[in-house]
Amino acid sequence: AQKVTQAQTEISVVEKEDVTLDCVYETRDTTYYLFWYKQPPSGELVFLIRRNSFDEQNEISGRYSWNFQKSTSSFNFTITASQVVDSAVYFCALSEGGSGNTGKLIFGQGTTLQVKP
Amino acid sequence: KAGVTQTPRYLIKTRGQQVTLSCSPISGHRSVSWYQQTPGQGLQFLFEYFSETQRNKGNFPGRFSGRQFSNSRSEMNVSTLELGDSALYLCASSLVSRGPSNEQFFGPGTRLTVL
Repeated sequence: AQKVTQAQTEISVVEKEDVTLDCVYETRDTTYYLFWYKQPPSGELVFLIRRNSFDEQNEISGRYSWNFQKSTSSFNFTITASQVVDSAVYFCALSEGGSGNTGKLIFGQGTTLQVKP
Repeated sequence: KAGVTQTPRYLIKTRGQQVTLSCSPISGHRSVSWYQQTPGQGLQFLFEYFSETQRNKGNFPGRFSGRQFSNSRSEMNVSTLELGDSALYLCASSLVSRGPSNEQFFGPGTRLTVL
């Protein structure tokens, strides 16, 4: 069965703190893609990053970093030195299929991040 | 390049009515997916269209249908509306190619309220 679990429902931090959002996934496919999306109060989902199942190289992009571990089926997301503008709902998502182009994303329940000044 | 656009942005209907939502994908994007977002169920996949054909379908009743036109614009229709259909309906488009360019770009959504 395909499933994405974001155990943290809400996280509240003070500006400049580091915060890690957890994501655990389940899939029987050997080829799949994992994503993180951000949904600010405006409602529009914003794409942050995509990783395929064969690429476990972790990445840092500015204040964002991602930790993908197939052994634990986890794809965690860290914001360093958080800012108030980072306040949003963050979704982890899974796409199965060899090419990943099936158009179906399976989302976790989302983690609401509140960054206080 | 213009993003994904959805019309209308807000809609109020009563039970039993039907509704049609529209989505214009990013220019050049041929795949359009629809999602329903509710506080209780979260984000759920409705269906995906590619080249005017439904390629994938989520677990929703037949009251939910869609179509895609030759210019890749898509519409979804919900017939016999129920209170539980109140939700934010999101459309996403992606550039389908031979490479892994399958990130989906979302529109602002249509907020449907069923009274």
